[in-house]
Amino acid sequence: ELQLVESGGGLGKPGGSLRLSCAASGFTFSTYTMNWVRQTPGKGLEWVSSISSTSKYIYYADSVKGRFTISRDNTKNSLYLQMNSLRAEDTAVFYCAREIVGPTTGFFDNWGQGTLVTVSS
Amino acid sequence: SYVLTQPPSVSVAPGKAARIPCGGNHIGGQSVHWYQQKPGQAPVLVIYHNSDRPSGIPERFSGSNTGNTATLTISRVEAGDEADYYCQVWDSTSDHRVFGGGTKLTVL
Repeated sequence: ELQLVESGGGLGKPGGSLRLSCAASGFTFSTYTMNWVRQTPGKGLEWVSSISSTSKYIYYADSVKGRFTISRDNTKNSLYLQMNSLRAEDTAVFYCAREIVGPTTGFFDNWGQGTLVTVSS
Repeated sequence: SYVLTQPPSVSVAPGKAARIPCGGNHIGGQSVHWYQQKPGQAPVLVIYHNSDRPSGIPERFSGSNTGNTATLTISRVEAGDEADYYCQVWDSTSDHRVFGGGTKLTVL
């Protein structure tokens, strides 16, 4: 059974750091593009970052560029998000999502259950 | 950056059809994907590539895309369809993924 399990959420201080992890199982992780998508409580979905299967292509939303770093370890079937310089507006549920990529398009066919990040002093 | 516009809410009576629009500049030339999200749950893909349904999604869910509007149609709406629905595209000018603001479907 395909599973994506996020961890690492919790309380972070403004200006501080947190590292999220996503453990993948039930599929060949190393062949898929992976993403982080977040959702502020009571609000909509916001794409955060994408990393291709070999880590060759990495993209960030403007709201996190320069502060967040996405990475993956295909030997451990794991996806990561290093979040630095945290802001109150980063408070959200962060989802790990597998992406099916085609020519100039991609969609998220499987999602984890999410991990809550709260940024507060 | 590319912007997708959805109405905040749509209401429909049980058994009727619900149509949820997603507006974007020349969106008809893009591939649009749709997600359903129920309270406290992760999003679920219901339509990809404008009109394809993943396995396990009822035939009542369909999609279309032309001009400046993509539409998710849910036929014979049931109480269990009450959820938030999001459209999504890939912005090829930036390689960013873009979501619409979401539409809350209320079954009367």
